[in-house]
Parts: sequence; structure tokens; C-alpha cells
Amino acid sequence: ETVLTQSPATLSLSPGERATLSCRASQSVGIALAWYQHKPGQAPSLLIYEASNRATGIPGRFSGSGSGTDFTLTIDSLEPEDSAVYYCQHRGSWPLTFGGGTKVEIK
Amino acid sequence: EVQVLESGGGLVEPGGSLRLSCAASEFSVGSCVVSWIRQIPGKGLEWVSAIVARGETHYIDSVKGRFTISRDTSQNTVSLQMNNLRVDDTAIYYCAKGRPSASIFDYWGQGTLVTVSS
Repeated sequence: ETVLTQSPATLSLSPGERATLSCRASQSVGIALAWYQHKPGQAPSLLIYEASNRATGIPGRFSGSGSGTDFTLTIDSLEPEDSAVYYCQHRGSWPLTFGGGTKVEIK
Repeated sequence: EVQVLESGGGLVEPGGSLRLSCAASEFSVGSCVVSWIRQIPGKGLEWVSAIVARGETHYIDSVKGRFTISRDTSQNTVSLQMNNLRVDDTAIYYCAKGRPSASIFDYWGQGTLVTVSS
């Protein structure tokens, strides 16, 4: 099983700042990694797939990078609606796993 | 418009059973991966089970032997039969559609709450 470790657990930033979220895999997953945004009371939504490809309709301020075991989600110029929990997920092998999440709070 | 709609959640006693259903619109459940993913209250997301286009099924270890995923292509639905439920199965269960040829989920339902309690 591939364990995904996300850091930090919580990020508190002001509007306009940049958020940098990390996801580290216990073994290489190549680029088979996705990022999701999850707001309370809503379904999770896909942001990034294959490590760096934005999903349909996702604003350009969201970007993903990395390969192997180290991945980063960057949110440029934070907006109030970006307040959410962000999860990484690998698809490299069964069982699929999610990271523990990073909560982004907007001051 | 692609839509995923879960149903079947509810309150059940430990050891009981529930059957969750996922109704798909504007895509075929036989042509992609469909997964059940849960969120335990106050916790993160946990992948539970998947059925892939070829019909293979996969499960997280903690539900093997208790949960069964299946699909009905004529009704375009995916089901999760949950037996011998435990208190730690309490969660919101989401059904999610996979991207083409990938277990990355681009459409999710709103979730259905399963509460296991005496």
C-alpha cells in the first residue's frame, strides 16, 4: 500500500498570498497523482490529475508539480473561496489511497 | 450533464446490512472505473471499493469479505452491499466516476450517510 503524507496539516494565509501544499508518497507513483478540493457539505472536486494537468474548469491559479514521491499543489493569489481541505490521491496501484489532507484557511 | 446520485444510506445496528446504490447519468458505468469513497466524520477521505471497466473489483482490506461492489449496466447503476457493519464504518459514502482509463475521479455524488450504532 502506498502511503501519502500531506503537509502542513493546516495553512492559514491572507487573500492574495501563495499557498504551497506538499504530498509525499511512501514509494514512487510516477505522475499518477491527483489533487482534490473538498469544502464542507459539498462533494470533493478534482483539481489536478497526472500530477500537473488542471481538470476542466479549474482556474489557472491552481497548479501541480512533481513526480516519483514528492508532489506540490500551488495556489497562487489565494481567494476567499479557496478555503477548503485539499487531498492528494494516487492511482498507481490497488488499494488507492488519499493523503490525510491540508486545511487551507483564509484569514 | 454527467451526474452521480447515491441512495440507500441510513441508521443500522452493528452486524446489520445496508445496500448503497449509485445511479449514473450521461456516462456508462460499464465503460469506466466507479468507486465508493467514504469520509468518516471529522476525518479525511478513504477509498473503499472500485469496479473497473473490465469488471474486476477491488477493496480496502478493512471491508474485504464484508462489502461487495457490483454493477447493473442495464440500469446504469453501481451498488455496494455492506454486510456485518461495524461502528467504524460510520461515514458519508460517496460514489465517484473515474476519468477515462484512470482511477482519478472527475465526478462525485453528494454522498449518503451511513450510521452504524446501537
